[in-house]
Amino acid sequence: DGGITQSPKYLFRKEGQNVTLSCEQNLNHDAMYWYRQDPGQGLRLIYYSQIVNDFQKGDIAEGYSVSREKKESFPLTVTSAQKNPTAFYLCASTNQPSAADTQYFGPGTRLTVL
Amino acid sequence: AQKITQTQPGMFVQEKEAVTLDCTYDTSDQSYGLFWYKQPSSGEMIFLIYQGSYDEQNATEGRYSLNFQKARKSANLVISASQLGDSAMYFCAMRAVLMDSSYKLIFGSGTRLLVRP
Repeated sequence: DGGITQSPKYLFRKEGQNVTLSCEQNLNHDAMYWYRQDPGQGLRLIYYSQIVNDFQKGDIAEGYSVSREKKESFPLTVTSAQKNPTAFYLCASTNQPSAADTQYFGPGTRLTVL
Repeated sequence: AQKITQTQPGMFVQEKEAVTLDCTYDTSDQSYGLFWYKQPSSGEMIFLIYQGSYDEQNATEGRYSLNFQKARKSANLVISASQLGDSAMYFCAMRAVLMDSSYKLIFGSGTRLLVRP
């Protein structure tokens, strides 16, 4: 089945720890995105990548880092510099160029800081 | 600035009836796209429907239709014959062009829909 997988589904982090969220897609999509969702709110863009070995900051990149070494994979690291990391994190991908550039999402990772 | 506004935090609808979820947008771009996503309690964002700014016909996908009124900058989602499984959060989103000509989605704050049996 083609799709986007994210792991883990739930993640707990202690203060001062870095944690890495996994995102893998087998849709052969070029572009990948990371979004953050806080309770009762919409999604905000953290980082995005159009091609392998290239990525750009989104609206709320501070305290996060990413890599794009393979087309299928776009892991997100939440560093200790992120002051309020408790949130729901969603990864998405899209096949650019396309008329609609519809972004398809993974199931998400819920991160909680203890 | 580009913005999506969803003014209904929560809505109730009776099973088998139709419901309209409101969405207004603000953009100075001539070419843009509007999306609706469904987010059930599991958290995954499910793509429902897309409307391009140059599309003359309103988009439809099964029980979902998009009431696109360009002059009013509105893109309301209409769900016909509501089902219990339609209970979820619904997000309106707009495609925004980034500095490097790639795209991101700008999301509204969402509407929680509850379908009553």
